[in-house]
Amino acid sequence: GQQLNQSPQSMFIQEGEDVSMNCTSSSIFNTWLWYKQDPGEGPVLLIALYKAGELTSNGRLTAQFGITRKDSFLNISASIPSDVGIYFCAGRFVGSQGNLIFGKGTKLSVKP
Amino acid sequence: NAGVTQTPKFRVLKTGQSMTLLCAQDMNHEYMYWYRQDPGMGLRLIHYSVGEGTTAKGEVPDGYNVSRLKKQNFLLGLESAAPSQTSVYFCASRPHGSSSYNEQFFGPGTRLTVL
Repeated sequence: GQQLNQSPQSMFIQEGEDVSMNCTSSSIFNTWLWYKQDPGEGPVLLIALYKAGELTSNGRLTAQFGITRKDSFLNISASIPSDVGIYFCAGRFVGSQGNLIFGKGTKLSVKP
Repeated sequence: NAGVTQTPKFRVLKTGQSMTLLCAQDMNHEYMYWYRQDPGMGLRLIHYSVGEGTTAKGEVPDGYNVSRLKKQNFLLGLESAAPSQTSVYFCASRPHGSSSYNEQFFGPGTRLTVL
């Protein structure tokens, strides 16, 4: 089946640093989403992207839909302790039934 | 609005036992989904429903059955639980349409252990 390659698997950063993570696929996608999951909770949508090249921000978070339509990245600027959690990319590839495929997640740890 | 709720939050089963997980949403969403989340595996789709009375298989449907008798409820059943079904189960729902307001909303999860 279709797979998303999300990297890095984990990150340990200092408070105030910027963070970057990305997802790539072998298929063309028409939707890219970024979710955050706090411990013991369900994923929460952060940013949704629907057009190639689209750049969207949500506070300190910025995500982009790659122009090849096979990748997306998420940046977090000036990280704070509450940014800790697991970040998932998800997407819909062209020709799918509309269901989402999820990456394996990037676990973010922030040192105060 | 309570959003998406899941019952129970935790459950321990013995191999061979059966159980049903309940998902309820009060947002009048057409689509509902059941995922399982295992360490290092991300979220994998078990079954989904595009409307009341309809269900379809996802990526990992074996060992599970589902029913959507009412629009607001989506039930996930395990007829004969196996240790490989130890996981965290998430339900999600979304309305019809494609926009950031129409993406999936997730429940808080059910942590299931099969001994």
